[in-house]
Amino acid sequence: AQTVTQSQPEMSVQEAETVTLSCTYDTSESDYYLFWYKQPPSRQMILVIRQEAYKQQNATENRFSVNFQKAAKSFSLKISDSQLGDAAMYFCAYRETSGSRLTFGEGTQLTVNP
Amino acid sequence: GAGVSQSPSNKVTEKGKDVELRCDPISGHTALYWYRQRLGQGLEFLIYFQGNSAPDKSGLPSDRFSAERTGESVSTLTIQRTQQEDSAVYLCASSIGTHPNIQYFGAGTRLSVL
Repeated sequence: AQTVTQSQPEMSVQEAETVTLSCTYDTSESDYYLFWYKQPPSRQMILVIRQEAYKQQNATENRFSVNFQKAAKSFSLKISDSQLGDAAMYFCAYRETSGSRLTFGEGTQLTVNP
Repeated sequence: GAGVSQSPSNKVTEKGKDVELRCDPISGHTALYWYRQRLGQGLEFLIYFQGNSAPDKSGLPSDRFSAERTGESVSTLTIQRTQQEDSAVYLCASSIGTHPNIQYFGAGTRLSVL
């Protein structure tokens, strides 16, 4: 079974600084998707960024980028120029290419200090 | 609205009572998912509907849990004889059902069983 591990329950960063959130996963599949979702106190999960495993190039969305290391099964999220609105719980998630369900990590609570 | 809508936002019930949680997916989305999020934890998959296919119920934790979906519209998650361990946020997501099959989430229902 696939598992997703986020080893940092909490992280903090100063406003305008850069922070990296870690995620590792375990799978025997060669093709799959990886996602980072953000969950603010409103509870609604918001997609931040996604990566297809067959793509070697790391995904980027504005201030958010990933470091995808397929051999190491690592998928970290880098947030540049952190803003107060980035404060939230961040979840890493995995999905098989042909699958439906998302498998989530336990989450990392990010605090942004002014 | 254009997003996934869930009701009620919060539900308090007594142990042993039945509850129904509702999810209204994004119009045109053929796939619908239910997840459970216990306090401080990641999301656990419960059930998945895709069009008129038989649902994937493999995540339902017990026979007290059931869900229905009429066509490609509203879904109802029912928990019978609620227990205190059922207390959680229940999140619904929908997707178009084809690549890349991004799941869009509602704000969830917070269920508290006293």
